[in-house]
Amino acid sequence: DAGITQSPRHKVTETGTPVTLRCHQTENHRYMYWYRQDPGHGLRLIHYSYGVKDTDKGEVSDGYSVSRSKTEDFLLTLESATSSQTSVYFCAISEAPGGSGEKLFFGSGTQLSVL
Amino acid sequence: AQTVTQSQPEMSVQEAETVTLSCTYDTSESDYYLFWYKQPPSRQMILVIRQEAYKQQNATENRFSVNFQKAAKSFSLKISDSQLGDAAMYFCAYRDYGGSQGNLIFGKGTKLSVKP
Repeated sequence: DAGITQSPRHKVTETGTPVTLRCHQTENHRYMYWYRQDPGHGLRLIHYSYGVKDTDKGEVSDGYSVSRSKTEDFLLTLESATSSQTSVYFCAISEAPGGSGEKLFFGSGTQLSVL
Repeated sequence: AQTVTQSQPEMSVQEAETVTLSCTYDTSESDYYLFWYKQPPSRQMILVIRQEAYKQQNATENRFSVNFQKAAKSFSLKISDSQLGDAAMYFCAYRDYGGSQGNLIFGKGTKLSVKP
């Protein structure tokens, strides 16, 4: 299994509080991604990073920010959590873009509940 | 914008039988990739099979095969000799040819149950 660790595994927080989720990799992969998974929606891309301090928005980026100060860590921050951000959050990593090989690895997910 | 549609929220199959999960997609691109991912109750996302749009031959991986119809924008997954361990959510996904590997568009998923 690829070395991807998401922390925490579970978190319960209150509306309006800031929350930071961490994704840590030991594979030295260039690309890192954050998804959210909601019932009836599959996975949707929030933000991704293509290098240290290089990030871009995905499909559902409103209300989220990210940072990547080191190759191995990609942080997802909810500045002021809302109940609509209750979801399972997945981190994923990959090597170079495109190409014929498929090397996208997923973490185990973080269950976030905003009350 | 690209979209992926899975029209079967739930499916059921008898152990050892064959089941086909449907997926349609919409894109204006001619080169792209299509995937099927499996998500068991453990939540782990597992790549089942992958298809490059420029390849006419349907991809196969052991008991898993696809029926890729590019003109119809259809990408169905066939599971043969179903096993209890195949019970999971299955997601169809699309990616542009030039996009990074994580820039996927997922369908909403099909929950597959396998009856003993």
